[in-house]
Amino acid sequence: AQSVTQPDIHITVSEGASLELRCNYSYGATPYLFWYVQSPGQGLQLLLKYFSGDTLVQGIKGFEAEFKRSQSSFNLRKPSVHWSDAAEYFCAVVRGGSGNTPLVFGKGTRLSVIA
Amino acid sequence: NAGVTQTPKFQVLKTGQSMTLQCAQDMNHNSMYWYRQDPGMGLRLIYYSASEGTTDKGEVPNGYNVSRLNKREFSLRLESAAPSQTSVYFCASRAPGKGSHQPQHFGDGTRLSIL
Repeated sequence: AQSVTQPDIHITVSEGASLELRCNYSYGATPYLFWYVQSPGQGLQLLLKYFSGDTLVQGIKGFEAEFKRSQSSFNLRKPSVHWSDAAEYFCAVVRGGSGNTPLVFGKGTRLSVIA
Repeated sequence: NAGVTQTPKFQVLKTGQSMTLQCAQDMNHNSMYWYRQDPGMGLRLIYYSASEGTTDKGEVPNGYNVSRLNKREFSLRLESAAPSQTSVYFCASRAPGKGSHQPQHFGDGTRLSIL
């Protein structure tokens, strides 16, 4: 079965500092990977996705993520965090080529940004 | 461009009452999903519908029923609400299964409290 682990429940960073949120997945074959962001009281918004090609993918709001098959990881990064990035971030995985199979989500990492 | 619309946004029920949560999407998506979100648990799949006329259980289906009324609408019913079903419920939809790299699009959620 597919699973996703986000090791950090809560991270606090200073505004302007760099950010890396960790995501590890468990699936033997080619996974398709996603990062979503959830602002308080809102639904989930897609930041970026990976399914093939270049292992470094760019997303919205200045985020990027790197797929590392050898480490089963898909970490999310941003060079300079803004106060508006405070939110909860979810990593998700689905089996490649599985049609309409639902995504499996990690438990999320809550990001706080301090001045 | 409404996307995924959920109604109601908030609801308070008494134990034993029944209720139907409504979800509609206007993106011509085949697949639709119901998740619940609880603190520290991430998103857990309740039921999903890969296409009109089909439904399948997810990770936590007990106490719920679903109906895929047509391609646009996918409702979630609590027949006899219990306090353990207090949660935020999210509906999502996904583009036709041409590739499972298609992301899921989420509604803004229904916040349900059961007393």
